[in-house]
Amino acid sequence: KQEVTQIPAALSVPEGENLVLNCSFTDSAIYNLQWFRQDPGKGLTSLLLIQSSQREQTSGRLNASLDKSSGRSTLYIAASQPGDSATYLCAVSGTGNQFYFGTGTSLTVIP
Amino acid sequence: ETGVTQSPTHLIKTRGQQVTLRCSSQSGHNTVSWYQQALGQGPQFIFQYYREEENGRGNFPPRFSGLQFPNYSSELNVNALELDDSALYLCASSPRDSDIQYFGAGTRLSVL
Repeated sequence: KQEVTQIPAALSVPEGENLVLNCSFTDSAIYNLQWFRQDPGKGLTSLLLIQSSQREQTSGRLNASLDKSSGRSTLYIAASQPGDSATYLCAVSGTGNQFYFGTGTSLTVIP
Repeated sequence: ETGVTQSPTHLIKTRGQQVTLRCSSQSGHNTVSWYQQALGQGPQFIFQYYREEENGRGNFPPRFSGLQFPNYSSELNVNALELDDSALYLCASSPRDSDIQYFGAGTRLSVL
């Protein structure tokens, strides 16, 4: 069974700092990996989707990389802002159209 | 704004009751997935529907069932509610030829 782990569980940084969130998964047979943002009590917002054949995706200040063979992905956030404060979740999709989420990293950006 | 609407927003039920949660997706989103998210946890995949047929299922008992309708709406039904069913239930839809999932804001279910 696929297991997804996110480290760290919580992170607090001063505004303007660059940061990296980590995601690891145990089964490399994935179709894609997706990073989401979740604000308290709300649904999830898709940030970036990386297909299994891709190495990275970029959107604005966000860059996500994927190393399928080692079962790792990172989400890089440049020049963090207080509005970036949220929980960040990664999810992988695999066989049987199943999706597996990590437990998330709670990010706080201090003004 | 994802275009995915869930109702109701909050719901309180007692153990043993049955509940139906609803989701309305954008036109053309013919794949819908349902997730259960317990407090402090990541979402757990319940099942996925594609063109009104179940297309994948997570590790949930048969008392969790679903329906998808031609008008891009769907339902999650849970029978014989248990206390551990208390969670945020999320619906996500995907358009044709895309793996990007668009989530609704969820239904918060409390089982007393």
